[in-house]
Amino acid sequence: DVKVTQSSRYLVKRTGEKVFLECVQDMDHENMFWYRQDPGLGLRLIYFSYDVKMKEKGDIPEGYSVSREKKERFSLILESASTNQTSMYLCASSILGQNTEAFFGQGTRLTVV
Amino acid sequence: AQSVTQPDIHITVSEGASLELRCNYSYGATPYLFWYVQSPGQGLQLLLKYFSGDTLVQGIKGFEAEFKRSQSSFNLRKPSVHWSDAAEYFCAVGPFTGGGNKLTFGTGTQLKVEL
Repeated sequence: DVKVTQSSRYLVKRTGEKVFLECVQDMDHENMFWYRQDPGLGLRLIYFSYDVKMKEKGDIPEGYSVSREKKERFSLILESASTNQTSMYLCASSILGQNTEAFFGQGTRLTVV
Repeated sequence: AQSVTQPDIHITVSEGASLELRCNYSYGATPYLFWYVQSPGQGLQLLLKYFSGDTLVQGIKGFEAEFKRSQSSFNLRKPSVHWSDAAEYFCAVGPFTGGGNKLTFGTGTQLKVEL
């Protein structure tokens, strides 16, 4: 089974802290994604990557950055956390190609206080 | 830019009743369309997908969806709902770019099943 593992289910951080959310997939997928999920807004794409050291902005990249140094790992970085970044963060991966299924992790619920 | 509308925020059906969840999309070319389900505390799981070919698509757990280009719709259906189907359902559309489908999700429909 494909497994996408997010390092934390719940995180509480203080305003201004630098926050790292880690995601690892075990299926050698080329593509990896970070989404943010908020009630009434659905999922919104923050960043995605289709190769090591490659990244592309999604719909809401402001306040975030990403790192992909190895194929299996995709990190989301909040340079200076703010309360409006309190949310559920979902990581996903997929193989290279059209119409391919994205596999999701269980999510990290981040609270910034 | 593509967009997805799921007009129903909440839907309640009785167990055994039929279900239809609506999804309308806006996209300039032939869309890649997906339906995902999210159970409480879980990530998203793919139910089915459409790119081309037969406009009626079969998925897992007895779900199906029909692509109607003239209506820009991709509605999800199930003939008989089970209590375990209670979850949140997301429709998504995405072009193929940079090696993968860059998905835009709808706001979701929360399904409640009454026993």
